[in-house]
Amino acid sequence: AQSVTQLDSQVPVFEEAPVELRCNYSSSVSVYLFWYVQYPNQGLQLLLKYLSGSTLVKGINGFEAEFNKSQTSFHLRKPSVHISDTAEYFCAAPVRGNAGNMLTFGGGTRLMVKP
Amino acid sequence: DVKVTQSSRYLVKRTGEKVFLECVQDMDHENMFWYRQDPGLGLRLIYFSYDVKMKEKGDIPEGYSVSREKKERFSLILESASTNQTSMYLCASSLHSEAFFGQGTRLTVV
Repeated sequence: AQSVTQLDSQVPVFEEAPVELRCNYSSSVSVYLFWYVQYPNQGLQLLLKYLSGSTLVKGINGFEAEFNKSQTSFHLRKPSVHISDTAEYFCAAPVRGNAGNMLTFGGGTRLMVKP
Repeated sequence: DVKVTQSSRYLVKRTGEKVFLECVQDMDHENMFWYRQDPGLGLRLIYFSYDVKMKEKGDIPEGYSVSREKKERFSLILESASTNQTSMYLCASSLHSEAFFGQGTRLTVV
């Protein structure tokens, strides 16, 4: 069973509209959670991370995410998107392997911001 | 800033060739990873190394091997490249759980 699930493969949205990208995790992952962004032909860049403490986490570029233990979710939000936010977004969590933590990723969500 | 450098951005190789993808990190991280990324499949872990000369198979190790002779360098080897190994390959390193990625190598096998 997949450890991290992103429910939407594509999310189209108009510029300046709010957006939520959904991520759910299973109990097999340790509860450190990450969102990464990938712009075209680039590697992945960390947007934000939850390690402990406040369940609302703020990241770069105006993004934030909320850790919800009861719903096993870590959804990413932005109140007003820009064209430049068009990218692929990945939710990730470490899974304990035989020798250490391996980061496992959701399938990705392509955010398409339209003018 | 952590820097993870992959030796090539783009590579074109022929079927049956032996291919080396190189990755170097400059932050003394214990852990290094190789992923491949394909449309609709997200990132899939090929191999993981947690120390020099130590490795662990990921989800899709078949057709690949790795080498970690020095802490900063992690190489992915395609012993005999096949067309189904055409993909984007991403290297990453981490100290604890947060991973830092290279720019990726887009490999085309013809």
